[in-house]
Order: sequence, then structure tokens, then C-alpha cells
Amino acid sequence: GESVGLHLPTLSVQEGDNSIINCAYSNSASDYFIWYKQESGKGPQFIIDIRSNMDKRQGQRVTVLLNKTVKHLSLQIAATQPGDSAVYFCAGRSGGSNYKLTFGKGTLLTVNP
Amino acid sequence: NAGVTQTPKFRVLKTGQSMTLLCAQDMNHEYMYWYRQDPGMGLRLIHYSVGEGTTAKGEVPDGYNVSRLKKQNFLLGLESAAPSQTSVYFCASSKREPRRTDTQYFGPGTRLTVL
Repeated sequence: GESVGLHLPTLSVQEGDNSIINCAYSNSASDYFIWYKQESGKGPQFIIDIRSNMDKRQGQRVTVLLNKTVKHLSLQIAATQPGDSAVYFCAGRSGGSNYKLTFGKGTLLTVNP
Repeated sequence: NAGVTQTPKFRVLKTGQSMTLLCAQDMNHEYMYWYRQDPGMGLRLIHYSVGEGTTAKGEVPDGYNVSRLKKQNFLLGLESAAPSQTSVYFCASSKREPRRTDTQYFGPGTRLTVL
């Protein structure tokens, strides 16, 4: 099966700094990963995804890095803004399942003005 | 295009009562899911459906039933609510197209309290 976890439950950064949120997974057969953002009282919102045949993928102000050797992925947010304050989840899909994701517990990102 | 919607937003039940949570999506997605979210536990899959008329068990299915009579709707039922089912419930949906299936889109959630 898949076990997905996050290194730190909370992260506090200053506005304008870059944020890095980390995630580890256990199943070497995992082939797809997603990062979600969840604001207080709302459902998770898709941020960015990456497939196992890639090492890096960039979006608007966000970058996901995947290191399959150590089974680790990270979400980097550039120039963090107060609106980025939320809980961030990574989710992984095991190669044998077409549609089931395993979610990590989440990291609470707090952006200080 | 409302995306994924859930009703109700909040509900309080007494132990032993029953209720149904409704999820609707207007994106013509084939796959739909029900999750529960508890503090410190992350999202856990209860049941899911890969198409109209089909359902399957997820990670924590006990105490819940589901139905997918229409493609756009996915219902989650609690026949006899227990305090352990106090949680926030999220519905999600995703496409079936190759390489597009995996991204799940979530509703706003239903906060359920069982006394």
C-alpha cells in the first residue's frame, strides 16, 4: 500500500520569503503525486501534480520536486503571500490503482506579514 | 459551472439517527469519492464510484453506504450514526480520460457532529 506523510506539521514564514513543504512516501511503485491546498473551512484545492517520470514541474509561483531515489517530494512556493496561508497536503497514487489516492496529514503554513 | 457541491454544510445528529449526504458535480466526471477528514488523520477514503450504478469500498467503509444512481450524484448514507462518525466529509470527482483521471476536485465539505 501507500503511506504518505509530511515532515513538519507546521511551517511559519515571512511574507515574501520562499516556502518549502516536504513530503515522504513509502511505496516505490507510486507513480503520481498531487499537492493540495486547503484553506480553513474549505475543501482541498488542486495546486500542482507530477508524474514519476518527471523530477520537477513548475506552475505559477509553485514548483514540485520529486526525488524517487529517497522517495521524497517537496512543494516550493516563491514569494509567499498571506493568501498562501493554509494546510498543504501531498497525495500519492500507487501504481496498481487507477484512481485511489493516499493523503498525507498536512502541513499548516502560516505567512507572517 | 459550480464544480462539486455538497449538501448540507452542517448537521448535528443524535446517536442512532440516520441521514444522507448529497454530492453533485456538473463536470461530467466518471469517478466520484467520499472522504472523511479528522484532526491529525488526513483524508481517508470511505467509498468511491467509477461510474453510474457502481460503487466500491475504500479504506474506512464500515457504518456507511453509498449509491450512484445518476452520474452527477453520489450519496453517502449513515444508517445508525455513532459519535465516532463525527467528522468533516468531503466529496470529490475526477475524469476518466487517460492521464486526466487522477486529479480529484473536491467539494466544500459537510461538518457532521454525532452526539
